[in-house]
Amino acid sequence: GDSVTQMEGPVTLSEEAFLTINCTYTATGYPSLFWYVQYPGEGLQLLLKATKADDKGSNKGFEATYRKETTSFHLEKGSVQVSDSAVYFCAPLPTNGQNFVFGPGTRLSVLP
Amino acid sequence: DTAVSQTPKYLVTQMGNDKSIKCEQNLGHDTMYWYKQDSKKFLKIMFSYNNKELIINETVPNRFSPKSPDKAHLNLHINSLELGDSAVYFCASSQDSTRFRGYTFGSGTRLTVV
Repeated sequence: GDSVTQMEGPVTLSEEAFLTINCTYTATGYPSLFWYVQYPGEGLQLLLKATKADDKGSNKGFEATYRKETTSFHLEKGSVQVSDSAVYFCAPLPTNGQNFVFGPGTRLSVLP
Repeated sequence: DTAVSQTPKYLVTQMGNDKSIKCEQNLGHDTMYWYKQDSKKFLKIMFSYNNKELIINETVPNRFSPKSPDKAHLNLHINSLELGDSAVYFCASSQDSTRFRGYTFGSGTRLTVV
């Protein structure tokens, strides 16, 4: 079945540090890939997405590149801020159109 | 304007009670979902409705019953609440699978059963 593996948190960084959160997946066919972010006490929000191989999704300084050969979609940011502290979820959309698989979430804490 | 709204935001209740959570979306989406998030942040799909029709019903106790009076609303009723039902419940919506652009989530309902 479809599954997602994310790096285990929590990840604790100092402000302005470089961030990478790894995500690899197994999915039926050729999925679209999403990253969601959940700020404390809130619901999940779509952060970025990529729909085909080598596409790069980007938003709010975050980027992720769709790597079909390694089935990965790692999230990166060059300089994190305290306001980026949240839980990040990787999610593939399988080609059968049923997006019910979320990664386990990676908690990021950014210290001033 | 709130795109996906859930009520209540917090719900504290005793074991054995029956409670409902309401969800409404004003995005014109065709599909709505209920997810359960446990204390470790794992998200698990519970139900999915497309145009008022149930299309996904994962293995959840039959004490949980979704109801969709129209495609903009998906309510969740829970009978005989148990301690293990304590979690955050998220409603979400999306366009149908052929036009999927991602979910829009509500802000969640934190259910605490005591």
